[in-house]
Amino acid sequence: DGGITQSPKYLFRKEGQNVTLSCEQNLNHDAMYWYRQDPGQGLRLIYYSQIVNDFQKGDIAEGYSVSREKKESFPLTVTSAQKNPTAFYLCASSAWTQWSNQPQHFGDGTRLSIL
Amino acid sequence: DQQVKQNSPSLSVQEGRISILNCDYTNSMFDYFLWYKKYPAEGPTFLISISSIKDKNEDGRFTVFLNKSAKHLSLHIVPSQPGDSAVYFCAAHGTDKLIFGTGTRLQVFP
Repeated sequence: DGGITQSPKYLFRKEGQNVTLSCEQNLNHDAMYWYRQDPGQGLRLIYYSQIVNDFQKGDIAEGYSVSREKKESFPLTVTSAQKNPTAFYLCASSAWTQWSNQPQHFGDGTRLSIL
Repeated sequence: DQQVKQNSPSLSVQEGRISILNCDYTNSMFDYFLWYKKYPAEGPTFLISISSIKDKNEDGRFTVFLNKSAKHLSLHIVPSQPGDSAVYFCAAHGTDKLIFGTGTRLQVFP
């Protein structure tokens, strides 16, 4: 059964610590994305990757880092430089073609809280 | 600068009636639009989409209408069911990425 797995579902971080959120997909999708959702706001793009070993900054990349060493995996690190990290983080993937009509499929998210 | 706007944060509809969710956008270069449905503590699920070369797309109880001259799209759900209660996001495809609206919370009551 194909899908996107995000872990953990809940994560707590002490101030000053880096933390890494996991995202794995078995949909054989080329493109993967990280979004952040805050109350009353839409999804804001943090980073995205269209192909292995390549990624681009989204709209709110400051304080975050990513890697794409494998097609199936796109981990997100929330660094201590991110001043307001408490949020709901969503990972997504999609097939990548020259056309745009490929919807993104989302994981169930990780809720990150600061202790 | 919000390129995709959902001006109604919430909508309440009686079961069996029509739900109409609206979305406005500012960039005429968007070529593809999508609607997602989201339950609490879950990721959004894709619902329906429409290409900018069309003005209507229908899938069962869900129909999306696109008015390019007004830069407006809407999602119609007929008939509405209690299980439709969720937050609905519209999204527009820009260069390499989707731009999401802020969402509309739909509540369908008996």
